[in-house]
Amino acid sequence: DAGVIQSPRHEVTEMGQEVTLRCKPISGHDYLFWYRQTMMRGLELLIYFNNNVPIDDSGMPEDRFSAKMPNASFSTLKIQPSEPRDSAVYFCASSLSGGGNTEAFFGQGTRLTVV
Amino acid sequence: AQSVTQLGSHVSVSEGALVLLRCNYSSSVPPYLFWYVQYPNQGLQLLLKYTTGATLVKGINGFEAEFKKSETSFHLTKPSAHMSDAAEYFCAVSDRGGSYIPTFGRGTSLIVHP
Repeated sequence: DAGVIQSPRHEVTEMGQEVTLRCKPISGHDYLFWYRQTMMRGLELLIYFNNNVPIDDSGMPEDRFSAKMPNASFSTLKIQPSEPRDSAVYFCASSLSGGGNTEAFFGQGTRLTVV
Repeated sequence: AQSVTQLGSHVSVSEGALVLLRCNYSSSVPPYLFWYVQYPNQGLQLLLKYTTGATLVKGINGFEAEFKKSETSFHLTKPSAHMSDAAEYFCAVSDRGGSYIPTFGRGTSLIVHP
């Protein structure tokens, strides 16, 4: 398997624009996580899905953020409208349920810069 | 609720010296424990994990960690640092009987001097 695939790797956008980040999890994994990494806050869990269903989105910072998982092989994280403070590296990760003792596999991340 | 504390946001060692990265957790029951490494411009990847059994766990690249229940710790060590070990290291816990979702520490940046 190619691992978790995220696109794009880098995104530069102007404030107010819509941004969509994409993720393809590892085939067969039933959990998918979206994280945001910044120097100030470290690694934050934004939202996670189980079997394509959003389970906990309490980490989503504002209503400007939304995430979907229309099928088992694809998820998106959308920011609309984007703001400079959204600049961060966004990671998608997936894992296979096993009682909590299985690791999360991370994509290489999308570095978002909002100017 | 579970939490993870990594002591020291930066640790600096000389090449060949012992590496010790500290991790303490807070959990109602002993959790599953993980160490991940993040190289520059990369995602996190698993170094090692403790689930059950032997409390000394060996991972990739010569790293190991010991689960000490009495100290609620899971410190990461390597006998001899290599330049290629320079990276960000994250400790994480996952609740055995709860939500399963991993909780990550803030990370420790390991700097290796020649």
